[in-house]
Amino acid sequence: GDSVTQMEGPVTLSEEAFLTINCTYTATGYPSLFWYVQYPGEGLQLLLKATKADDKGSNKGFEATYRKETTSFHLEKGSVQVSDSAVYFCALKTGGSNYKLTFGKGTLLTVNP
Amino acid sequence: GAGVSQSPSNKVTEKGKDVELRCDPISGHTALYWYRQSLGQGLEFLIYFQGNSAPDKSGLPSDRFSAERTGGSVSTLTIQRTQQEDSAVYLCASSLESGGGYEQYFGPGTRLTVT
Repeated sequence: GDSVTQMEGPVTLSEEAFLTINCTYTATGYPSLFWYVQYPGEGLQLLLKATKADDKGSNKGFEATYRKETTSFHLEKGSVQVSDSAVYFCALKTGGSNYKLTFGKGTLLTVNP
Repeated sequence: GAGVSQSPSNKVTEKGKDVELRCDPISGHTALYWYRQSLGQGLEFLIYFQGNSAPDKSGLPSDRFSAERTGGSVSTLTIQRTQQEDSAVYLCASSLESGGGYEQYFGPGTRLTVT
């Protein structure tokens, strides 16, 4: 079945540091890939997405590129801020069940001033 | 506009009792989803509605779990004879349609604690 494996946390960084959260997937067909973010006390929000190979999703300074050859969708940000502290989830949807999101276990990011 | 709302936000119940969790999707959204977020299992899909029909119930953990949706709007997730392993945050999401290109908007969740 479909699955998502993402970097175990927690991740602790200083403000302005570079962030990478690794995400790899196993899926039948050609999935759409997503990063969701959950800020403290809030619901899940879509951060960015990519729907086909080599697409780059970007939002709020975060980027992720859909790499079919390595089945990866790593999240990056060049300079993190304290306000980026949150839990980040990598997820996919496949054509066969294109309504159901399959999530990774989440990575807690803490950014210190 | 209003987002997805869920009630109650927190629910503490005794083992063996039944609970009902409610989801109000974004107005006009035809698709509705329930997920469960627990420490051990992460985020898991439970059930999906298109209109009032549930084409996929494959994620419901046992026959103690059921869900319905009425009027193409509000949905209720019912857990009968609750067990401690049911303790989790139950998330509801809705989308305009069910296809892959449609974003799912999540509610804040209901935190269920079974004592």
